[in-house]
Amino acid sequence: NFMLTQPHSVSQSPGKTVTISCTRSSGSIASNFVQWYQQRPGSAPTTMIYEDNQRPSGVPDRFSASIDSSSNSASLTISGLKTEDEADYYCQCYDSNNQAFIFGGGTKLTVL
Amino acid sequence: QVQLVESGGGVVQPGGSLRLSCVASGFTFSDFGMQWVRQAPGKGLEWVAYIRDDGSNKKYADSVKGRFTISRDNSKSTVYLQLNSLRADDTAIYYCAKVFSGGMDVWGQGTTVTVSS
Repeated sequence: NFMLTQPHSVSQSPGKTVTISCTRSSGSIASNFVQWYQQRPGSAPTTMIYEDNQRPSGVPDRFSASIDSSSNSASLTISGLKTEDEADYYCQCYDSNNQAFIFGGGTKLTVL
Repeated sequence: QVQLVESGGGVVQPGGSLRLSCVASGFTFSDFGMQWVRQAPGKGLEWVAYIRDDGSNKKYADSVKGRFTISRDNSKSTVYLQLNSLRADDTAIYYCAKVFSGGMDVWGQGTTVTVSS
């Protein structure tokens, strides 16, 4: 099984831009779609990005994502930060070899 | 609207059993795989189990294999998770989620399982 590694925490000021990385330990990041989930304190996760860079309806276009094969990582970028963006963010992708769903450890975003 | 509602959580002694249910609405349930994801107190998300749309394929995380069983009843738009031989480290919020394109696009609100003597 591969692992997805995220920074434990990031912080940024309101109105600024922040990027959260997600690095795959083995196998190509491009092999399987990457998803991103937001989890506010005390709430269930919600899907912010699917299929590497697609936003579900209702997700603001301040949220964007990409993958980078050179660093074997995915990134979630949030621009125009708002205090309501303060949450935990998880990346996830599918492990085809083991038919398992792999989550990153999560990144706590603080907007201060 | 698309909705998933879990139930069945509770407090159980080590070695005990529980059955979780998740009722779906707002989409054609039989067209989609479903799965369970859990979150231990203060920890991250952990995938638990997956079931294909027709129930023909099931997969489990190593941590629950042989103890948990996922099933579904498409006539009732419901997915189940049978939890047996429960341990303290199974204490968590259990979320059901609709599978889409290698991930999850809809999540339930979760049901809490506490394993304690």
